[in-house]
Amino acid sequence: NAGVMQNPRHLVRRRGQEARLRCSPMKGHSHVYWYRQLPEEGLKFMVYLQKENIIDESGMPKERFSAEFPKEGPSILRIQQVVRGDSAAYFCASSELPPAEGDTDTQYFGPGTRLTVL
Amino acid sequence: LAKTTQPISMDSYEGQEVNITCSHNNIATNDYITWYQQFPSQGPRFIIQGYKTKVTNEVASLFIPADRKSSTLSLPRVSLSDTAVYYCLVGDTGGFKTIFGAGTRLFVKA
Repeated sequence: NAGVMQNPRHLVRRRGQEARLRCSPMKGHSHVYWYRQLPEEGLKFMVYLQKENIIDESGMPKERFSAEFPKEGPSILRIQQVVRGDSAAYFCASSELPPAEGDTDTQYFGPGTRLTVL
Repeated sequence: LAKTTQPISMDSYEGQEVNITCSHNNIATNDYITWYQQFPSQGPRFIIQGYKTKVTNEVASLFIPADRKSSTLSLPRVSLSDTAVYYCLVGDTGGFKTIFGAGTRLFVKA
């Protein structure tokens, strides 16, 4: 049973280019979460999606960032016109059930994509 | 959201017991306490979760005093492979939005 898969593992972009990060959740999981981790810092929630729906995007920057989780295929986090401040590790997590109050142990994290903006 | 405070780093030696304490003075009544482990270049991995008193699993124990304003993660007989960052999280409703702080960097030496 493969875990959460993310690709690419490393991505280098120049300022102004677009970055596309992919996440394939664990088999049977229909809830996907994206987090960003800056160097030497903890993870910060960005967005929570179910199949074909964005449930909570309160952690997403208002501009340049978007996410989708289509009926078929992986979840995509898209960053348009990247800037140096976007350099970070982006982690995806998935869960089988929707998040419950106080319950955080049902999330399984992928290995992350490390984005470097030159 | 309940804020957590943990030591920035800790050192230990193989075979020792390691206790990492986390302060969460404004924890809410319905908040759970969860600990994650993160190795370099990997995503966090769930270790243990509790609400009050003591919880134990095959990896660690979690001690929570009656006032729940702090908690202690106990790792028995650590090995070199336990070198990692350990995060203490206090969950709000829908725990996926819980903030991961900077965590505690544990260095286990031979």
